Amino acid sequence: SQKIEQNSEALNIQEGKTATLTCNYTNYSPAYLQWYRQDPGRGPVFLLLIRENEKEKRKERLKVTFDTTLKQSLFHITASQPADSATYLCALDGGGGADGLTFGKGTHLIIQP
Amino acid sequence: DTGVSQNPRHKITKRGQNVTFRCDPISEHNRLYWYRQTLGQGPEFLTYFQNEAQLEKSRLLSDRFSAERPKGSFSTLEIQRTEQGDSAMYLCASSFPVSETQYFGPGTRLLVL
Repeated sequence: SQKIEQNSEALNIQEGKTATLTCNYTNYSPAYLQWYRQDPGRGPVFLLLIRENEKEKRKERLKVTFDTTLKQSLFHITASQPADSATYLCALDGGGGADGLTFGKGTHLIIQP
Repeated sequence: DTGVSQNPRHKITKRGQNVTFRCDPISEHNRLYWYRQTLGQGPEFLTYFQNEAQLEKSRLLSDRFSAERPKGSFSTLEIQRTEQGDSAMYLCASSFPVSETQYFGPGTRLLVL
């Protein structure tokens, strides 16, 4: 079965540095991959989508890369701020015609001032 | 606020009772999804509607769960004979017809005692 792995341990980054989060997947060839942010007690918020034929996508301080050979996506936040502290979820399309997303467990990012 | 809304936000019930949650999607969105999220995990897909038609159901959706979207607008998720294992955050999301981006509501947190 398809499996998504994110570093579920908390990632501590000093303010101003670049935070890099990893999403690895197996047994799957997604048409696209999405990144969402989730704050405690709230629903996920969409950040970026990258398609299988795209290598990189940027939005303000965010950058996502997608390597379909390595089956990996990297999510970067440059010039990180304490307000970026949250859980970041990687999600793949369901595949097989299913439209539900398959999410990883998420990485808890802490930006320390 | 024109985002996805969910009611109630919190629900405490006793084992064996029935509960019903409501989701009001963004008005222009014809796709509606239900997910379940437990502590430390990413959201897990439960079911999906396109307009009033329920097109996909996960194996996670046992016979005790039923979802409806009678007029293609709001949706309800009912859990019959609740069990302690049903305790979770129930998330609703909606999307445009040809968009992969899903917009999530704040969720309904269920606690079964």
